[in-house]
Amino acid sequence: GESVGLHLPTLSVQEGDNSIINCAYSNSASDYFIWYKQESGKGPQFIIDIRSNMDKRQGQRVTVLLNKTVKHLSLQIAATQPGDSAVYFCAETQGFQKLVFGTGTRLLVSP
Amino acid sequence: DTAVSQTPKYLVTQMGNDKSIKCEQNLGHDTMYWYKQDSKKFLKIMFSYNNKELIINETVPNRFSPKSPDKAHLNLHINSLELGDSAVYFCASSQDLEVRHFGPGTRLTVT
Repeated sequence: GESVGLHLPTLSVQEGDNSIINCAYSNSASDYFIWYKQESGKGPQFIIDIRSNMDKRQGQRVTVLLNKTVKHLSLQIAATQPGDSAVYFCAETQGFQKLVFGTGTRLLVSP
Repeated sequence: DTAVSQTPKYLVTQMGNDKSIKCEQNLGHDTMYWYKQDSKKFLKIMFSYNNKELIINETVPNRFSPKSPDKAHLNLHINSLELGDSAVYFCASSQDLEVRHFGPGTRLTVT
């Protein structure tokens, strides 16, 4: 399944599918990006980050892709599990110490 | 051994009251933050302190006053609470000005 920017705030997938969550960022000068996962009733939790001098970074079951030309960031989750159900935020640095969050995408994983 | 802790977790109060939320981090980080998350899950920076010095002060009403007695603590005091202050408030800390470690949040309900 794939979400399209911020106009599709909920992404529903089946367990075992790959998920792609997209994010359009606003500032072409942003040089650092982070994906956070927020489970219900908890604070955002760091998943993976990427700097602007890279276009791809992989973690455990997650991959972040950065396309600076179109100011687009995506988070790919392989073999999505029910425990991946959460709201996912992209965030970009804008100026000194200022981390600006996107509006979030809710991922629902059904067994 | 919680990294970033906040108290209380829930706070219900009436309009016009004054309340405080406390935050402590045991990560040894130099920078601490307060974020506000509204009912649509939008996360917005309010304040940032670096080594007890105010670095970021977004356009937040002056009814909100952060206080950092030492670099491990950042408290948020709110005067004359209004209905619109109802939200979840997250404390966070970071060492490298990039990855924020978030606390569990304080859900404030103003009636």
